[in-house]
Amino acid sequence: QKEVEQNSGPLSVPEGAIASLNCTYSDRGSQSFFWYRQYSGKSPELIMFIYSNGDKEDGRFTAQLNKASQYVSLLIRDSQPSDSATYLCAVNDPYDKVIFGPGTSLSVIP
Amino acid sequence: GAVVSQHPSRVICKSGTSVKIECRSLDFQATTMFWYRQFPKQSLMLMATSNEGSKATYEQGVEKDKFLINHASLTLSTLTVTSAHPEDSSFYICSARAPGRGNSPLHFGNGTRLTVT
Repeated sequence: QKEVEQNSGPLSVPEGAIASLNCTYSDRGSQSFFWYRQYSGKSPELIMFIYSNGDKEDGRFTAQLNKASQYVSLLIRDSQPSDSATYLCAVNDPYDKVIFGPGTSLSVIP
Repeated sequence: GAVVSQHPSRVICKSGTSVKIECRSLDFQATTMFWYRQFPKQSLMLMATSNEGSKATYEQGVEKDKFLINHASLTLSTLTVTSAHPEDSSFYICSARAPGRGNSPLHFGNGTRLTVT
């Protein structure tokens, strides 16, 4: 069973803090990994993508990938109230399908 | 770049009628588009992969005769929900890959919220 798992949350952090979102996947052959942000009632918006082991930084966001552990994470530095949303981890499986995790709800408290 | 447009954004229809949803790639050509469905408080579930010039590939449990997909050009895919029922009420979202490497990220349309009364 191909799966992408995330803690559903809600995750609450104070404004200015670091939010850490985690994701694990079951298909070891997966090659590409994505983080999307989804506001209520809206479609997902791409935040980050990562293909290689290690860290990838883009502004306040850092994606981390460990293929050996089948683990992907997203760090959000200096969290803002506008970051409050559901964060979806997505994995491109070996069959070229993008499978989404259940999402983690993040709330940034002013 | 990689803009995906979806229409309509919201539709209400009566049980038993059919609804067509259009998905267009505006600034790139997409040989493949993906249709997802999202029920409230749940994640996105892949329904089918739309292939330009050939039959769509449906995920297990998705009725191909109920959810008709047509991908007649490199910029347009349509999803028709036939004989809609209240349980088909959901948020339908299309997506396409940005041009580039084969496993590049998906870019999503704005979604269509379908309500069947």
